Amino acid sequence: GAVVSQHPSWVICKSGTSVKIECRSLDFQATTMFWYRQFPKQSLMLMATSNEGSKATYEQGVEKDKFLINHASLTLSTLTVTSAHPEDSSFYICSARGGTSGSANEQFFGPGTRLTVL
Amino acid sequence: GENVEQHPSTLSVQEGDSAVIKCTYSDSASNYFPWYKQELGKRPQLIIDIRSNVGEKKDQRIAVTLNKTAKHFSLHITETQPEDSAVYFCAASQAAGNKLTFGGGTRVLVKP
Repeated sequence: GAVVSQHPSWVICKSGTSVKIECRSLDFQATTMFWYRQFPKQSLMLMATSNEGSKATYEQGVEKDKFLINHASLTLSTLTVTSAHPEDSSFYICSARGGTSGSANEQFFGPGTRLTVL
Repeated sequence: GENVEQHPSTLSVQEGDSAVIKCTYSDSASNYFPWYKQELGKRPQLIIDIRSNVGEKKDQRIAVTLNKTAKHFSLHITETQPEDSAVYFCAASQAAGNKLTFGGGTRVLVKP
């Protein structure tokens, strides 16, 4: 149990376009989902916390108008990178909590989405 | 906010030797400390975690210790094997919200 999927696994887009990444909890209801960004050879940096049915809470320095997050259901959160630029190229990983297995604080990570902006 | 420091950034050990990674955190409200193993291009995998009411936890070749007074925790891997080669991240979570703050990571190389 406690499986989280992401789609797509990788995407290449042109500068100026928008890209949507989906994060799904497959076998549990995720009341909270988190979005992280990981640049090559660096750590995971939290971008925002997404609670179902409410607005996401963004970390300091993350532009909410550029990284649109929607958590419309208990199993789906989406991250849309608007007007993408090459510096947005990164590995985007979501995680979800709220499953019945594991500890209450445990987050289950998706496989990540590698975004390359040309 | 929380700040987690992790050392060393790289660690090379001979197969069979032990590896130790240390982390410090700044927020005394943090009460959950997981460790993740991440292979290249893959998701982080939880390998062990510890809560603030416990000083030590062990799972086969992996152990974690926590010193809440000093605000530091460590990962110990004994009898290292080549498949232990990966990047390891420590993290800390506060009581409310449960968002994770990660350390900078340690690239472990186990030489056969």
